[in-house]
Amino acid sequence: AQSVSQHNHHVILSEAASLELGCNYSYGGTVNLFWYVQYPGQHLQLLLKYFSGDPLVKGIKGFEAEFIKSKFSFNLRKPSVQWSDTAEYFCAVNGGSQGNLIFGKGTKLSVKP
Amino acid sequence: GAGVSQSPSNKVTEKGKDVELRCDPISGHTALYWYRQRLGQGLEFLIYFQGNSAPDKSGLPSDRFSAERTGESVSTLTIQRTQQEDSAVYLCASSAPSGGNEQFFGPGTRLTVL
Repeated sequence: AQSVSQHNHHVILSEAASLELGCNYSYGGTVNLFWYVQYPGQHLQLLLKYFSGDPLVKGIKGFEAEFIKSKFSFNLRKPSVQWSDTAEYFCAVNGGSQGNLIFGKGTKLSVKP
Repeated sequence: GAGVSQSPSNKVTEKGKDVELRCDPISGHTALYWYRQRLGQGLEFLIYFQGNSAPDKSGLPSDRFSAERTGESVSTLTIQRTQQEDSAVYLCASSAPSGGNEQFFGPGTRLTVL
């Protein structure tokens, strides 16, 4: 069965620090990969996605993620975080003919001003 | 509509009662999904509707859970004889036929079973 692991439950950073959130998945075939973000009091929204092509994808608000097929990873990065990036981040995958997404447990990011 | 809407936003019920949760997907989105998020957990898939095909019910945790969808429109998730472990945020999402399965989420219904 497919699964998604997010390595960090809670990350605390100061503003301007660099961010990398880990995500690994288990699935042997072609996958679509997503990062969703949930800001406090708001609903889930898409941050970025990878379907095919360039493994380095750029999303909104300066976020990017790199798909490394050999490592089954899709880590999220941002060079310099802001207080407004405080949110919970979810990695998700779906593969093959499966319609639904499989989500990781989420990483809560707290950015100190 | 502009986005996925869900109602009610909050529901408090007593153990053993039935509840119905509603989802209005984005117009034109043929696929509709239900997920739940229990405290401190990721999203857990429940059920998936795609057009007129039979729904994928593989994520429903028990036969107390059921869902219906009217055409490519509104969906209702019904939980019968609610239990305390059903307490969670129930999220609905929809996606377009050619959207590469990018799912758009509603605000969720927070269900509390006392």
